[in-house]
Amino acid sequence: GENVEQHPSTLSVQEGDSAVIKCTYSDSASNYFPWYKQELGKRPQLIIDIRSNVGEKKDQRIAVTLNKTAKHFSLHITETQPEDSAVYFCAASRGYSSASKIIFGSGTRLSIRP
Amino acid sequence: GAGVSQSPRYKVTKRGQDVALRCDPISGHVSLYWYRQALGQGPEFLTYFNYEAQQDKSGLPNDRFSAERPEGSISTLTIQRTEQRDSAMYRCASSLRGTGDTGELFFGEGSRLTVL
Repeated sequence: GENVEQHPSTLSVQEGDSAVIKCTYSDSASNYFPWYKQELGKRPQLIIDIRSNVGEKKDQRIAVTLNKTAKHFSLHITETQPEDSAVYFCAASRGYSSASKIIFGSGTRLSIRP
Repeated sequence: GAGVSQSPRYKVTKRGQDVALRCDPISGHVSLYWYRQALGQGPEFLTYFNYEAQQDKSGLPNDRFSAERPEGSISTLTIQRTEQRDSAMYRCASSLRGTGDTGELFFGEGSRLTVL
């Protein structure tokens, strides 16, 4: 079945430095890749997404890149700030082409050191 | 309501009992998803609906789990003859769009189930 693998499981970076989280997916028909942020005790919330017809998308300090050939995508956070500390989940879905089951990765716990 | 509402927020039950978890999605949202989230893990897909039609139930662990959305709005996830391994946070999410498109998932606060 479909699978999304995410790494690293934990990541600690100095405030102001960059953080990169990587995911791979197994279903070659996947064409929609959202990223969700979950703060402690709260619900997951969408922070950015990318569709398979683009290779990169940027929103302020956050960017996502997609390599369809290798079936992997990454989240890049630049100039990290304390409020970036949270668990981040990648996900993959077939989106437009068929049923929209959305499969999540296992998460990355990001800690920002002051 | 303003967001996705789930009830109960906490449920403690004894092994062998049936439980029903309720999700009230954002008004007008076509798609409704059920996920199970263990502590420190990502949401595990269970099933999803577009309107009242169950589109995919491949994530339901076994036949003790079932879900319905009879009028295309409120949904109920039912677990029969609960077992300790069923203990987890059960999250509902809704999305404005339906089949053939994707959109942002809005998650509820979850129902934390503990089976003793």
